[in-house]
Amino acid sequence: SQTIHQWPATLVQPVGSPLSLECTVEGTSNPNLYWYRQAAGRGLQLLFYSVGIGQISSEVPQNLSASRPQDRQFILSSKKLLLSDSGFYLCAWNAGASGKTYNEQFFGPGTRLTVL
Amino acid sequence: AQSVTQLGSHVSVSEGALVLLRCNYSSSVPPYLFWYVQYPNQGLQLLLKYTSAATLVKGINGFEAEFKKSETSFHLTKPSAHMSDAAEYFCAVRRNTPLVFGKGTRLSVIA
Repeated sequence: SQTIHQWPATLVQPVGSPLSLECTVEGTSNPNLYWYRQAAGRGLQLLFYSVGIGQISSEVPQNLSASRPQDRQFILSSKKLLLSDSGFYLCAWNAGASGKTYNEQFFGPGTRLTVL
Repeated sequence: AQSVTQLGSHVSVSEGALVLLRCNYSSSVPPYLFWYVQYPNQGLQLLLKYTSAATLVKGINGFEAEFKKSETSFHLTKPSAHMSDAAEYFCAVRRNTPLVFGKGTRLSVIA
C-alpha cells in the first residue's frame, strides 16, 4: 500500500532563517506531488505541484521554492522565512500519467511551521 | 476555471441531528468533486468523491453527498451527528488540474 511521510512534524524558526521541509511517498511510481499551505482561517492554498522529476509548477509567487530531486521526494524550501510563512504545510500525491483525472489526492500528516 | 464555494465557515449541530454542509461548484465542464475531512493537526482524509457515475455518493463514516447539476451543488449530509464528526470539512473540484479547495467548514457537535 502507499504511504506518504512528512517531516518534521513541527518546526519553530526565526524570521530570516532558511527552511527545508521534506515529503516522500512509498509504494507508487511517477506520482504527481503537491505542496499546500493552510493558514488560519484561509483554507488550503496550492503552492507547487510536480508531474515528474525536476518539473515544478508554481501557483503563487512568493519566497518559497520546491524541488523534486527523486521520483518520490518533494522538498519545500526558503532562503529567508517571513512571519507570513507560518502555517500548516501539507504534502499530497495522486497517481500520475494514468489518464484518470478523477484520482483523488492523498495527504500527508502535515508540518506545523511557526515563524517568530 | 473550476472553483468551489462552501457556505458557512462554521456549522454547529446537536448530537443526533442532521448534518448538512453546503458546497457549490463552478465548472465549464463536468467536474469531479470531492469531500475531505480534517481533524486537528492532521492531514486531509477523503470522505467521498463524485466521478460522473451515480449522483448520490456514499462515503465513509455514514456521510453521503448528492450531485445536482441544475443547482451546481454537492452538499454533504449525515442523518445523525456523532461527537466524533467534529472536524473541518473541505469540498474540492478537479478536472485535468490539481484539486481546488473551498475555504472549509468547521463542524461542531454539541452534546
